Amino acid sequence: DTAVSQTPKYLVTQMGNDKSIKCEQNLGHDTMYWYKQDSKKFLKIMFSYNNKELIINETVPNRFSPKSPDKAHLNLHINSLELGDSAVYFCASSQDSGTGLLGYTFGSGTRLTVV
Amino acid sequence: KNEVEQSPQNLTAQEGEFITINCSYSVGISALHWLQQHPGGGIVSLFMLSSGKKKHGRLIATINIQEKHSSLHITASHPRDSAVYICAVRRDSNYQLIWGAGTKLIIKP
Repeated sequence: DTAVSQTPKYLVTQMGNDKSIKCEQNLGHDTMYWYKQDSKKFLKIMFSYNNKELIINETVPNRFSPKSPDKAHLNLHINSLELGDSAVYFCASSQDSGTGLLGYTFGSGTRLTVV
Repeated sequence: KNEVEQSPQNLTAQEGEFITINCSYSVGISALHWLQQHPGGGIVSLFMLSSGKKKHGRLIATINIQEKHSSLHITASHPRDSAVYICAVRRDSNYQLIWGAGTKLIIKP
């Protein structure tokens, strides 16, 4: 069983569309994250939720909205997609309150291409 | 200058060689992570260090807090070790995780 699963793995869509990426973890972890990996391979945190509560909200456009229906799920919804949103998005989880001191488990990534 | 610097950026070696990847940082940290990103894109957490040394199989990670430096070693390297190795530090003042740019390792048979 995959510990942190993201869907879809690949997403190609047109500018202006709205899309969602789903993430689920079956590890019983308390904290989930969304990271964006840019073309230079840097990983930048976007959001972090601990027990369904938002604890990190970095400077990302309002078009990005995370939703955590329960602590095992953290979905990322993106409105009005732009070319610059093209990247690989990684979901991760950790068994702590967001400090990451107990290590991370990552999903396999979602490659988003906006055309 | 990035707060987390990795070296080398690219490394190609022959199977069996001893590999060292370095990570230097300029901020106060509570922990340092080493991660492996496979050619297919998946990321695996290898180590989390706050002091000393950890070993897992052929992988060894060390950290020197005073010198703000960490190394990842791979003994008896194998082509399946080919990947990007990423160092990330957790700033001790907040939850922010600062990522290095990664080291692309290729092990030739």
